[in-house]
Amino acid sequence: AQSVTQLGSHVSVSEGALVLLRCNYSSSVPPYLFWYVQYPNQGLQLLLKYTSAATLVKGINGFEAEFKKSETSFHLTKPSAHMSDAAEYFCAVSTKAAGNKLTFGGGTRVLVKP
Amino acid sequence: DAGITQSPRHKVTETGTPVTLRCHQTENHRYMYWYRQDPGHGLRLIHYSYGVKDTDKGEVSDGYSVSRSKTEDFLLTLESATSSQTSVYFCAIRFSGSINEQFFGPGTRLTVL
Repeated sequence: AQSVTQLGSHVSVSEGALVLLRCNYSSSVPPYLFWYVQYPNQGLQLLLKYTSAATLVKGINGFEAEFKKSETSFHLTKPSAHMSDAAEYFCAVSTKAAGNKLTFGGGTRVLVKP
Repeated sequence: DAGITQSPRHKVTETGTPVTLRCHQTENHRYMYWYRQDPGHGLRLIHYSYGVKDTDKGEVSDGYSVSRSKTEDFLLTLESATSSQTSVYFCAIRFSGSINEQFFGPGTRLTVL
């Protein structure tokens, strides 16, 4: 079975500070990993994805994530937070063994302070 | 937005009534999904479809049924709505051949009183 754990349901950062959102996954086979962002009253938008190519993945809006197999992690970072980054972020995993279905973490809501 | 629309966008209904939510896509994607979103749970898969008349259950399918008679429409039905089905429902599509990146509709907020 596959699963995702996001550490911290809420994160508060100052504008201009580093954003770090933690995601750990569990999978018995090589995973595909995704980060999605949800702005208020909207659907989910894909930020970036890991598909077994480069372990450091760059996404939209200055975000990036690093796949670390030894730590079963896929943490999301952005060097300098902007007010527009206030949103909820979801990590998700899928595998061929699970029929390519996505399993989501519980989400992390980011608050950006001026 | 991958041409996905959901209707209605908001609905308030009473316990025991039937409810149907519609997901419509304009790009003939084969794979379609229904999720529910609840605080602390992220999104959980209810049902999915891999073609016309081809559907299967997800992890939280009890109390829900689906139908897909045309490629562009995927319907989610609550036969007898309960308060535990109050949630935000999202439809998603997946491009055939993609590594399971899914694209989401705007959501339907359902309140069951």
